[in-house]
Amino acid sequence: GENVEQHPSTLSVQEGDSAVIKCTYSDSASNYFPWYKQELGKGPQLIIDIRSNVGEKKDQRIAVTLNKTAKHFSLHITETQPEDSAVYFCAASINTNAGKSTFGDGTTLTVKP
Amino acid sequence: DVKVTQSSRYLVKRTGEKVFLECVQDMDHENMFWYRQDPGLGLRLIYFSYDVKMKEKGDIPEGYSVSREKKERFSLILESASTNQTSMYLCASGTGPIPSGYSNQPQHFGDGTRLSIL
Repeated sequence: GENVEQHPSTLSVQEGDSAVIKCTYSDSASNYFPWYKQELGKGPQLIIDIRSNVGEKKDQRIAVTLNKTAKHFSLHITETQPEDSAVYFCAASINTNAGKSTFGDGTTLTVKP
Repeated sequence: DVKVTQSSRYLVKRTGEKVFLECVQDMDHENMFWYRQDPGLGLRLIYFSYDVKMKEKGDIPEGYSVSREKKERFSLILESASTNQTSMYLCASGTGPIPSGYSNQPQHFGDGTRLSIL
């Protein structure tokens, strides 16, 4: 089955700096790659996603890039703010009827004021 | 906004008890999922369902079962709870195939049930 590896497991940055989280996947049939943010005491919430027919997608301070050949994708957060502190999960999904995803192990991002 | 509601935020049960975790979604989603979340292990899929009365095993189904009698409700059952099932349990829902042809869509999560088995 699909295997998703996520790095780093923890990341600490100064407010205003950029943060990058990287994921690799194993199944070349995966074609949907969502990113979720989990704040303390809450469930994960989708922040951005990308499909395999595009290489990059941006939404204000957040961007995701996808390299299908290398089977890796990355989350980029620019101008980080303390409220960006959370656990971030990447996921990969094949276009099946069930819509299930395989998740990475998560990255704990801390943004220091 | 999609709302996924898990019946309990915290639950304490004893070894050997039968435990029910309930999840309800209000967006008429076809797909529903149960995960457990443990530190350093991410989100691991226990079971999922793509229609009423339909269910499929995820990656770690042992010791669990599920029930989906109505579209909006998906229950996780621990037949005989054990201490290694102490964990955070997350329920999620997602829409089924859309006209564009994509079946895989974002998942919407509840806020979790922290279950302790003593």
